[in-house]
Amino acid sequence: GESVGLHLPTLSVQEGDNSIINCAYSNSASDYFIWYKQESGKGPQFIIDIRSNMDKRQGQRVTVLLNKTVKHLSLQIAATQPGDSAVYFCAETGWGTGGFKTIFGAGTRLFVKA
Amino acid sequence: DGGITQSPKYLFRKEGQNVTLSCEQNLNHDAMYWYRQDPGQGLRLIYYSQIVNDFQKGDIAEGYSVSREKKESFPLTVTSAQKNPTAFYLCASRRSNTGELFFGEGSRLTVL
Repeated sequence: GESVGLHLPTLSVQEGDNSIINCAYSNSASDYFIWYKQESGKGPQFIIDIRSNMDKRQGQRVTVLLNKTVKHLSLQIAATQPGDSAVYFCAETGWGTGGFKTIFGAGTRLFVKA
Repeated sequence: DGGITQSPKYLFRKEGQNVTLSCEQNLNHDAMYWYRQDPGQGLRLIYYSQIVNDFQKGDIAEGYSVSREKKESFPLTVTSAQKNPTAFYLCASRRSNTGELFFGEGSRLTVL
């Protein structure tokens, strides 16, 4: 398939290790923050979200942390597997002029070494 | 299966031609979105629609047009005015009570 994000920041981890992907956002009025995973040649898929009134949320093998003081979001993946290799995007969402919009960050490519 | 269907998956266009990308959803979502993705960059918002017969420009709307005549459909036309149209185009719809977007598989447009 086609590759996207050829020049994205890259994180390389060993299979079984934990991964931490970071993201800075810009709009302090955003309602939701969401992490998406994009595999080569496909559309992004939802991983986990967190509301602006929370600072931590856990899913299956994933945890999202939100630090509103410094406008920082992180995604932690436990026991990283080869199938986790993909590009990961953070996104901030909320109502603004013209309606509800989602703005994406630049993305991080995760390589998992077997 | 419920989801977003984009077509065509690959499209080639000569300079000066308009081309329309199809996006259909059967999720009964009100809001739909078009994004453009270039290598090394994230997704940039082209147009979005909160409801039928209404749509708004996103951050990079110049050279593009849309329509929203039906809830299920949100086609994007890439016009000859778009200076650099070669890109991967993604359509999405949004679940109403959250910000979660559901994406199609994308359409890759190449201008020859």
